[in-house]
Amino acid sequence: TQLLEQSPQFLSIQEGENLTVYCNSSSVFSSLQWYRQEPGEGPVLLVTVVTGGEVKKLKRLTFQFGDARKDSSLHITAAQPGDTGLYLCAALTNRDDKIIFGKGTRLHILP
Amino acid sequence: KAGVTQTPRYLIKTRGQQVTLSCSPISGHRSVSWYQQTPGQGLQFLFEYFSETQRNKGNFPGRFSGRQFSNSRSEMNVSTLELGDSALYLCASRQGPNEKLFFGSGTQLSVL
Repeated sequence: TQLLEQSPQFLSIQEGENLTVYCNSSSVFSSLQWYRQEPGEGPVLLVTVVTGGEVKKLKRLTFQFGDARKDSSLHITAAQPGDTGLYLCAALTNRDDKIIFGKGTRLHILP
Repeated sequence: KAGVTQTPRYLIKTRGQQVTLSCSPISGHRSVSWYQQTPGQGLQFLFEYFSETQRNKGNFPGRFSGRQFSNSRSEMNVSTLELGDSALYLCASRQGPNEKLFFGSGTQLSVL
């Protein structure tokens, strides 16, 4: 069974600080996605990483796909209260093309 | 383009009842997936339909079933509800197997 482990589960930091959250697996994936979910809404796709070692930037968010395509990280610079939410990593399973999700990191940015 | 629409938004049922949830995908999207989200287990894959055929199925009991119509709209049914079925049920659509998912806002089901 292919699983995605996310850490930390919860993170509460002050506005302006930097943070990194992680998504790890023992399986190799062809691509990995990051979503953000706000209360009362469905997840919204932030980015898809495809190539091992790939780094993508979205304003203050930096996403990295591990060289072996088994792990990924999301780094947020100068966090703002608007970054508060549940961050989910997801991957396309190799065998049957379904998208599976990690349990997420719940991020709270204090003003 | 309208997004993914799920109805109803909230639902309260009692144990033993059955429930049907509805999902209208983005126009042109032929794939609809259903997920169950709970605080303890996160987002768990239920099933995916593509062009009215079930492509994939997760590890849920047979009480959970679904179908897709010719206009790509999908319904999910849960029979003989249990307390543990209380969850946010999310529907997502995509154009094809390797495309990204677009989620609806979900149906919050409470089983009393």
